[in-house]
Amino acid sequence: QVQLQESGPGLVKPSETLSLTCTVSGGSISSYYWNWIRQPPGKGLEWIGYIYHIGRTNYNSSLKSRVTISVDTSKNQFSLKLSSVTAADTAVYYCARGLGIQYFDLWGRGTLVTVSS
Amino acid sequence: QSVLTQPPSASGTPGQRVTISCSGGSSNIGTDTVNWYQQLPGTAPKLLIYSNNQRPSGVPDRFSGSESGTSASLAISGLQSEDEADYYCVAWDYSLNGWVFGGGTKLTVL
Repeated sequence: QVQLQESGPGLVKPSETLSLTCTVSGGSISSYYWNWIRQPPGKGLEWIGYIYHIGRTNYNSSLKSRVTISVDTSKNQFSLKLSSVTAADTAVYYCARGLGIQYFDLWGRGTLVTVSS
Repeated sequence: QSVLTQPPSASGTPGQRVTISCSGGSSNIGTDTVNWYQQLPGTAPKLLIYSNNQRPSGVPDRFSGSESGTSASLAISGLQSEDEADYYCVAWDYSLNGWVFGGGTKLTVL
């Protein structure tokens, strides 16, 4: 079955860029919306943005100036870059598959990224 | 402050029925459907209810959802200890042009 797996550094310094990749296995990255969602420790979920397989993106307006989501269909991967990070960006970052703007049906296990010097 | 409002906590005893509310507005729940996710401790959220009241394959029929106007509810009947988790509502917001989540409700089975 289709599985999602996040990967990337677990520690990022303040003011630097957080970079994560989500690898989609067991299925094609085509025809779905691919999302990033985060959860600060002990807090709720926040949608970061999505990319459609052909490259169209949509970002949370509160993060838009710092976020870039890209896709590499040849590798069945999509990626997140979040620039100028601060301690407030410390969170578990999840990738999730979306059926349009209907719902997220599959999630990765999540990866904790800590912003600290 | 979350766009969708949920009570921070709920509780019940085994076998009881509990409901969790989710209040939104005309640009989200009032216009489109609501989905519910269950997050067990230390795990990723799992789709519990989609399109207000639809259960994915494998979700017990003890879980049900409803929607009215700008609010939605998740009901859990025959409460079991394994239902102890955080529950989140989420909807598309047409004004923000993005997904909005509720703050989450921590369900405790007493």
